[in-house]
Amino acid sequence: TQLLEQSPQFLSIQEGENLTVYCNSSSVFSSLQWYRQEPGEGPVLLVTVVTGGEVKKLKRLTFQFGDARKDSSLHITAAQPGDTGLYLCAPRSGSARQLTFGSGTQLTVLP
Amino acid sequence: NAGVTQTPKFQVLKTGQSMTLQCAQDMNHEYMSWYRQDPGMGLRLIHYSVGAGITDQGEVPNGYNVSRSTTEDFPLRLLSAAPSQTSVYFCATKRSVSNIQYFGAGTRLSVL
Repeated sequence: TQLLEQSPQFLSIQEGENLTVYCNSSSVFSSLQWYRQEPGEGPVLLVTVVTGGEVKKLKRLTFQFGDARKDSSLHITAAQPGDTGLYLCAPRSGSARQLTFGSGTQLTVLP
Repeated sequence: NAGVTQTPKFQVLKTGQSMTLQCAQDMNHEYMSWYRQDPGMGLRLIHYSVGAGITDQGEVPNGYNVSRSTTEDFPLRLLSAAPSQTSVYFCATKRSVSNIQYFGAGTRLSVL
């Protein structure tokens, strides 16, 4: 059984600070997605990473896929209150049709 | 463009009652799925469908039934609700050739 861990579980920071959240597993993934979920809404896809070592940037968000494709990180520069939400990682293993979701990191950015 | 529409948004049931959670999409996506989200446990797949007339079980299918008679609709049925089914339920859709899933806004269900 794949063990998927997201850390930290909760993070509260001031506007303008930088932060990094992590998604780790003992399994190798074929790809990994990051989603953001705002209160009362469903998750929204932010990015998909596929290649080991891949780095993708989405404005102030930087996503990295580990070289061994077992882990990923999301770095936010100069966080804003609009970044508040639950950040979920969802890796895909091999030819699996379904995604597995982590339990998420709940981020609160205080003005 | 409505995307993925879930109804109702909130529901309270008594143990043993039955109900159907509705999911409708207007994007002509082949793949539809139901997840439940519980604190500290992420999203867990209940059932999914790769097209009309085809359904399959996910990680936590017990206590839930689904059917897919049309491309647009994928209802989730609770035949005899239990307190353990208190959760937030999300429907998601995607094109079969894509990895991008689109989620509805969710149904918040409480079973007393």
